[in-house]
This record gives sequence, C-alpha cells and structure tokens, in this order.
Amino acid sequence: SQELEQSPQSLIVQEGKNLTINCTSSKTLYGLYWYKQKYGEGLIFLMMLQKGGEEKSHEKITAKLDEKKQQSSLHITASQPSHAGIYLCGAVASSSNTGKLIFGQGTTLQVKP
Amino acid sequence: ETGVTQTPRHLVMGMTNKKSLKCEQHLGHNAMYWYKQSAKKPLELMFVYSLEERVENNSVPSRFSPECPNSSHLFLHLHTLQPEDSALYLCASSHTQQGSQYFGAGTRLSVL
Repeated sequence: SQELEQSPQSLIVQEGKNLTINCTSSKTLYGLYWYKQKYGEGLIFLMMLQKGGEEKSHEKITAKLDEKKQQSSLHITASQPSHAGIYLCGAVASSSNTGKLIFGQGTTLQVKP
Repeated sequence: ETGVTQTPRHLVMGMTNKKSLKCEQHLGHNAMYWYKQSAKKPLELMFVYSLEERVENNSVPSRFSPECPNSSHLFLHLHTLQPEDSALYLCASSHTQQGSQYFGAGTRLSVL
C-alpha cells in the first residue's frame, strides 16, 4: 500500500524565516494535496498539484511537485505566527482518482514571534 | 468557514450507546467522505459517497454505518464502539470524486 513520509515531523522557526516541508511517496504520485490543520480542527485546503513540475503559490506559500522523485515540497517565505499549525500532504491513491486520498503523518510548525 | 458543517463538535458515549454524526455541505458538491484521525496516526479514509452511492468502504468495522440520504447530507451511525474508536472524525466533500476535497471542523469522539 502507498505511504507518504513527511519531513521534518516538527519545526520551530523564528518569525520572518523561510522554511520547507517535504512529502515523499512510496509509489507514483497521481496528484498531491496540501492542507493546514489547527490542532483538533478541520483541514484547510491550501493547494492541489497534478502534473510533474507544477508549482503553485498562495500568498507566501509555494508548493512544487516532482513526479520523478515522487515528492512534493511546501515552502513558506517570511514565516508569520499565523502560519503555525499542522501541515498535511495527501496523495491521490490511483490514476483513476476515485477520491481516495492517502495522507502523511503531518508536520507541526511553530513560529516564534 | 469551509461550507462543510459537522455536528456535534464533541461527543462522549459509552460502549453500549448508539449515536450519529452529521455532516452537511452547502457547496453543491456530489461526493462526500468520512475520515478518522487518531492520535499519532495519519488521517484514514473510511467511506466515499458519490451521487449518494457508496463507492469506497475502506475495511471499516460494521459498528460504523454510513448513510447518505442526499448529496448535501452524510451521517455516520455509531453503535457498540470500542475505546480505541475515540478519535476526530472528519467529513469532507468535493464537486466530483476527482475534485479538491473540503473538510468540516470535525467531531471529537470519546468512547468510555
């Protein structure tokens, strides 16, 4: 079965610093979602990547998909306390995309003012 | 607000109780999902409904029974649960099964 490995598992950065979170799949990626979660709450959709080499940005958050490496990265520029939370990647489990997503274990981000 | 509303937000139940979780989406989507999020484990898909028909049952025990009466509502009926079923249960919806999934705030369930 497919597994997603996120690294690092947790991260503490100083406000204003840049950071990168990686998501590596054990199998072919047919699509990759990034979500943000506040502890104990629902997931907030950030962006979805479908094609190899695709890059999307939303405000100060940029995500890229490297199909060959079966990996996606999420980059935050000039981090702010509002960026704190748990970042989850979710992979489309098959080429037919039946809606089944496999998730990583999450990366917890703390931003120190 | 994501357009997906879950009730109740918190639920405590005994192992012999029967309760239901409710999910309602106001986005005009045709697919709805139930996920389970346990401590220290990745988010797990439980069920997928598309156009009110169940299209995925991810080896979920029969003590969890989903119901989708129409494309806007999804229920998860619970009976004779175990303490290890305590978790955050999240509902999501998407325009189609291939579309981006939008999540509700979840129901925090504790089984005593």
